[in-house]
Amino acid sequence: QQQVKQSPQSLIVQKGGISIINCAYENTAFDYFPWYQQFPGKGPALLIAIRPDVSEKKEGRFTISFNKSAKQFSLHIMDSQPGDSATYFCAALTQGGSEKLVFGKGTKLTVNP
Amino acid sequence: ETGVTQSPTHLIKTRGQQVTLRCSSQSGHNTVSWYQQALGQGPQFIFQYYREEENGRGNFPPRFSGLQFPNYSSELNVNALELDDSALYLCASRHSGRIADTQYFGPGTRLTVL
Repeated sequence: QQQVKQSPQSLIVQKGGISIINCAYENTAFDYFPWYQQFPGKGPALLIAIRPDVSEKKEGRFTISFNKSAKQFSLHIMDSQPGDSATYFCAALTQGGSEKLVFGKGTKLTVNP
Repeated sequence: ETGVTQSPTHLIKTRGQQVTLRCSSQSGHNTVSWYQQALGQGPQFIFQYYREEENGRGNFPPRFSGLQFPNYSSELNVNALELDDSALYLCASRHSGRIADTQYFGPGTRLTVL
């Protein structure tokens, strides 16, 4: 059972454009929603995260939008750069206990120069 | 760099063999989690160790086991390897008293089972 659904599977954006990746979750007990960036040969690195008590969080060019009622959240990358080319994963967890991260399947982003 | 290291980088085994993967965490990180990332998929939670005890497990069979040591290192052991065990294995560590976004992943060990 896939608890976090991510789309699209791949995304090609021109330099300077906006990249948008969407995720939907099922488990209403999730209370922490991070996004990870993974380059080839590296482990995932935390990019930005949000808790369900806010609808939007912005850090530099990266913004998370969160819709609690729809159980959806998305990552927006403004002014996308070739260096942003990587695989992005959304995830969710319930804080407390083992705090296991449930990941989406990932989106491979390619930013063309 | 995350301060989390894993060894070996790559490993090739044959079906039925046993394998041990190692992770070295940052000093003070008393919580370590292991994830399996199949090709083209997101990481899947295997289990978590806190103060050398398993305190959470994902949907993985008992042939996946682990150890955590007082020196902030840990091991993932897989017995009776199957072809589907081919994947990138990631460890992630943090201090138990910190919130989840202070968890750091290592670069992973790529396991190939032939």
